[in-house]
Order: sequence, then structure tokens, then C-alpha cells
Amino acid sequence: EPEVTQTPSHQVTQMGQEVILRCVPISNHLYFYWYRQILGQKVEFLVSFYNNEISEKSEIFDDQFSVERPDGSNFTLKIRSTKLEDSAMYFCASSVRGGNLKDNEQFFGPGTRLTVL
Amino acid sequence: DQQVKQNSPSLSVQEGRISILNCDYTNSMFDYFLWYKKYPAEGPTFLISISSIKDKNEDGRFTVFLNKSAKHLSLHIVPSQPGDSAVYFCAAIYSGGGADGLTFGKGTHLIIQP
Repeated sequence: EPEVTQTPSHQVTQMGQEVILRCVPISNHLYFYWYRQILGQKVEFLVSFYNNEISEKSEIFDDQFSVERPDGSNFTLKIRSTKLEDSAMYFCASSVRGGNLKDNEQFFGPGTRLTVL
Repeated sequence: DQQVKQNSPSLSVQEGRISILNCDYTNSMFDYFLWYKKYPAEGPTFLISISSIKDKNEDGRFTVFLNKSAKHLSLHIVPSQPGDSAVYFCAAIYSGGGADGLTFGKGTHLIIQP
């Protein structure tokens, strides 16, 4: 069964460093998302991406964050200058469609645990 | 601002009995609701969804009920099995505004006891 994959599974970085989290969405999906879950808190929406541009972003997704689909398969989240509070589990998700259309269910990857020291 | 609330952090149910997980929401604009299941060290797995134009959706052992007037939804699992032990997240979306991002509750840890 097709699944969303994410690399690396765990990333440790120093405060102020740039990190790139990578995702390979399900191949026939057109909508891509990033979420994060800080330890002990709920899963929070960061950004959605469709047709090679950001479709929606939350207030968490500030100028330190960017997303890119560099080729036909990868979807990346870049954090330019990491802060201690960026430590969290980052989940990538994808769906065939968005909004309230049929087949809008979002399928999640296993996550990347980011630890900022 | 908790727009989606799951007030029970955990729930313990005997194997074979019914598990009922509850979720409340405050944003009346939400028009689509989903339940996800999450095992440790894995991402959330989609279980079942319901549109705001319906009040019930059933898929095998899983049924979701929506009460729009009370802004309440519930997930029923019958019969409960040991493999159902996981954290269950309720999520909602206001798709009518072109939104894509899900708003999640904090989750309920379901423990199925043998």
C-alpha cells in the first residue's frame, strides 16, 4: 500500500542552524502538508501546498519556514535558523484533493523528530 | 484557543465491549470532521470522516456520529480489540473557506484491556 515517507527519522541540530526535513508524498496525491507536534501537545497545522505554491499557512509558519517541491517526488520543509522551541515531531501529509471534496483525507508520514540544542 | 476539544485524556475499555470517544468543537464554521489513530513512533492514520451534512457514517467496526446543534461528535468502536489501543485524534476543517489545514484535538489514549 502506498505511504508517505519522511527522512530523517531523527534530526539533532544546534540552535541557529538551518535544517531541511524531507518528505515523499504518495505519488498520485496533489496536496501536501506539514504539521508539527510539540511533546505533550496537539498536532498543529503549519502549511499546505498545491500546484507548486503555498495554499494556506498558519501563524506558526513565519519567515523562518519555507517549503519547496524541488522535483516530482520530494516535498521539503526548511527552517532557516532553528530555535529551541522548534523542537518537535514534524509530520508530512498528502491527499488526492483538498477542502471538502471527496478523497480529501490526509495521509500522514511517520514523522521526523527534530531536537534543537 | 482550543477549537477542537477532547476532554478525556485516556479511556480504558474491556476487549469486546464498545469504545466511545468524544469530541467537542467550538467553531461552527467547521464542515468536515475526521478521526485519526496514532501508535507511538508513527504518524496519525486516517480512520473515518463525516461531512457536516450527515449525522452518521459507518465503516466496519467504526461509526462516527455528528450532533451539529451540540457541536459534538463521537467515535464508536464495536467490538473493541487489543489492536485498537492507541491515541485517537479528532480533527476538523472549514473547507468552505478554501482551508486545507486540519485542526486537531489533543487526543484520547484508548486502552483495551483483555
